[in-house]
Amino acid sequence: SQQGEEDPQALSIQEGENATMNCSYKTSINNLQWYRQNSGRGLVHLILIRSNEREKHSGRLRVTLDTSKKSSSLLITASRAADTASYFCALLRGSEKLVFGKGTKLTVNP
Amino acid sequence: GAGVSQSPSNKVTEKGKDVELRCDPISGHTALYWYRQSLGQGLEFLIYFQGNSAPDKSGLPSDRFSAERTGGSVSTLTIQRTQQEDSAVYLCASSLPQADTQYFGPGTRLTVL
Repeated sequence: SQQGEEDPQALSIQEGENATMNCSYKTSINNLQWYRQNSGRGLVHLILIRSNEREKHSGRLRVTLDTSKKSSSLLITASRAADTASYFCALLRGSEKLVFGKGTKLTVNP
Repeated sequence: GAGVSQSPSNKVTEKGKDVELRCDPISGHTALYWYRQSLGQGLEFLIYFQGNSAPDKSGLPSDRFSAERTGGSVSTLTIQRTQQEDSAVYLCASSLPQADTQYFGPGTRLTVL
């Protein structure tokens, strides 16, 4: 499969807790991206990590990449109810088209 | 500046009818993509336009699907003789040349009865 696979499929936590989502893939990559989708509509780009990077931060987000294990993780610290969404990892393949996994549905309970 | 816009936001049609979905990319973005997201599924690549190059149509599921991009800007995705399995959210994205980050529109939810 050329797509990433997110794990878990669903995650429910309390506000203030940290949320960790994982993505595994099988092919070589130039970079891996994480996107968020609210209410099944438009996606918002969160963060991009290149194959020569191991960790990247953006606000409350931390992304790691282990190319030897072909896996990435997205950590959201101090979660908020507004973080409730589906999170997708995406691989850049071929003519710049993104190949998405099926996502992790995160629910943050107030 | 304005983001990617799509119209209509929702479309309900009868099986067998043709539909047209429109995408207005961010100004200056030469790359434009169409994706489809069916219920409970991930996002599926459909077609990619880059400047004046021939589009990458490798993701179109059948010959009932076609897309145009006029003047290097607005794009229209056309589905002919719609089927119930075409029901999905159709997402458009655009990006700068050689850029890895894509900016998505809000999508069009298509329901085929």
